[in-house]
Amino acid sequence: DAGITQSPRYKITETGRQVTLMCHQTWSHSYMFWYRQDLGHGLRLIYYSAAADITDKGEVPDGYVVSRSKTENFPLTLESATRSQTSVYFCASSDWQGRKTQYFGPGTRLLVL
Amino acid sequence: LAKTTQPISMDSYEGQEVNITCSHNNIATNDYITWYQQFPSQGPRFIIQGYKTKVTNEVASLFIPADRKSSTLSLPRVSLSDTAVYYCLVGDTRYSTLTFGKGTMLLVSP
Repeated sequence: DAGITQSPRYKITETGRQVTLMCHQTWSHSYMFWYRQDLGHGLRLIYYSAAADITDKGEVPDGYVVSRSKTENFPLTLESATRSQTSVYFCASSDWQGRKTQYFGPGTRLLVL
Repeated sequence: LAKTTQPISMDSYEGQEVNITCSHNNIATNDYITWYQQFPSQGPRFIIQGYKTKVTNEVASLFIPADRKSSTLSLPRVSLSDTAVYYCLVGDTRYSTLTFGKGTMLLVSP
């Protein structure tokens, strides 16, 4: 299906484990983003990517790693999950044309025990 | 990036017009104003964007006064399905990142 998808939609893990959240878009958008959303904080940018092999930190990058070997995929890895990383994670993409319309995925709910 | 201030919550009834105002006193010349809508358990969705005066699409209208220090999102004749969080964002379209505030929780009642 066309659009932006995230997997898994729900994930429960334990403190210290590595977790990878997947994001895939079919529009060939150049830009992709990862946000986390927590009560009381709204949406906060974790990392973003302007193109394949180009990534940059957002507001809250600590504890996360990203890669972008292909334009359509932008996985987010929690190398050693902590309870504070329990959150809802949203991936987004945009086609840079001077207007910043971002298209968001359905989100991944992550619980770290 | 210019910061925004908007009400935490608003209540309305079906069929009414709802106006959500956003304050952005230090908006810069190259900044555009963008509104997103987020339903529970979904990602935000783009509603409307503008630079000055008035912009209208099939979903909403955006009113921006001449000084651009505020903007108003107008939703005509809201329905229960318009219950959502609405985010006002201000940013330079030369840069790719967005900064979301806490948004306005709009509750529409029967």
